[in-house]
Amino acid sequence: AQRVTQPEKLLSVFKGAPVELKCNYSYSGSPELFWYVQYSRQRLQLLLRHISRESIKGFTADLNKGETSFHLKKPFAQEEDSAMYYCALKDFNKFYFGSGTKLNVKP
Amino acid sequence: DGGITQSPKYLFRKEGQNVTLSCEQNLNHDAMYWYRQDPGQGLRLIYYSQIVNDFQKGDIAEGYSVSREKKESFPLTVTSAQKNPTAFYLCASTWGPGANVLTFGAGSRLTVL
Repeated sequence: AQRVTQPEKLLSVFKGAPVELKCNYSYSGSPELFWYVQYSRQRLQLLLRHISRESIKGFTADLNKGETSFHLKKPFAQEEDSAMYYCALKDFNKFYFGSGTKLNVKP
Repeated sequence: DGGITQSPKYLFRKEGQNVTLSCEQNLNHDAMYWYRQDPGQGLRLIYYSQIVNDFQKGDIAEGYSVSREKKESFPLTVTSAQKNPTAFYLCASTWGPGANVLTFGAGSRLTVL
């Protein structure tokens, strides 16, 4: 069953433009959702998690249970934000990942 | 320096051969995971283990096997039964049930010739 969907494989924006990476999920109950990021030549790492309601590197993500979405947003993209972004959902002891969105921030 | 070490970084295998990928962690984490990463498909769970001597199949376990004899180690064997083994393999760990942050290794790229 597809639990996490990221509809965009590639998202290109210019520096300073707003960016939104989409994530939709299917899950019964209260989901635990995350965004992971993989910068070039670096390991996959946690960016943020919905339970913390935090802003990391200017990114935020709000859980919308009605739309079953957890979109990642940043008002002003920077070139260093270029990376591969994965939305993830925790189901008991397992973590499920979306197919990823490559963000390319152009100068 | 705490973390997860995967080896080898690159591995080439002939068809019909089994190959074992190593994953070692010194984070004192109880739970360990193996994922396969393919372009356009994201990360897919192969196997996971919550405690020593116990492991569970993920979504794509066919053609793979694992063991968890030590807390620090969770090797993955890609057997000849795996029909499409060429991929990037990622190992991850977390401290245990209730934990929600995965720490990842650098990955191993397996190419079947």
